[in-house]
Amino acid sequence: SYELTQPPSVSVSPGQTARVTCSGDGLAKKYGSWFQQKPGQAPVVMIYQDTERPSGIPERFSGSSSGTTVTLTISGVQAEDEADYYCLSSDSSGNYVFGTGTQVTVL
Amino acid sequence: EVQLVESGGGLVKPGGSLRVSCAASGFTLTNAWMNWVRQAPGKGLEWVGRIKTETDGGTKDYAAPVKGRFTISRDDSKNTLYLQMNSLKTEDTAVYYCTWGFQHWGQGTLVTVSS
Repeated sequence: SYELTQPPSVSVSPGQTARVTCSGDGLAKKYGSWFQQKPGQAPVVMIYQDTERPSGIPERFSGSSSGTTVTLTISGVQAEDEADYYCLSSDSSGNYVFGTGTQVTVL
Repeated sequence: EVQLVESGGGLVKPGGSLRVSCAASGFTLTNAWMNWVRQAPGKGLEWVGRIKTETDGGTKDYAAPVKGRFTISRDDSKNTLYLQMNSLKTEDTAVYYCTWGFQHWGQGTLVTVSS
């Protein structure tokens, strides 16, 4: 089955830059999205179609894509950015797949 | 304002059935691709299934772990989405979310499968 692989954890100091990667063969042809989830809350979309940021999402969140990897970049990390982050894409059948998830810790 | 409100979760025995609902407001379900996503306790997000609009064929697609056991449906008169879950297993224990295009999400409803 199709898998999207993320690092289990990323640690960053406040004000620094955090990068979370998501790798999968299909990402070379399919868009990726990114979601932030805080404990006890529903996910929130941060990036869609690889690089697009929904209205209301801070500009410090950005997305990029290269080959079979999409990357979420958080520039100038703030304490409130501490959360779990998941990527999402689709397989060759058009069914959706979430990444394994990354816990971002702000030191 | 778009709102999605899930309900119907609860405790069910292995092999049993349960139907969870997702009441939508602020938009018309008929015109929306809707998805169900679940999250087991302490685990990651897992896509469960999707229903397309009638215009796009009304197709329903499911993740492999639930295919043949779960069914997504929609009551346009009530603007409500459903997830019928049969032959439930302990590994189906999770918070179930409905989402419109992954932009709008409900608060989730907890389904616990245990004897």
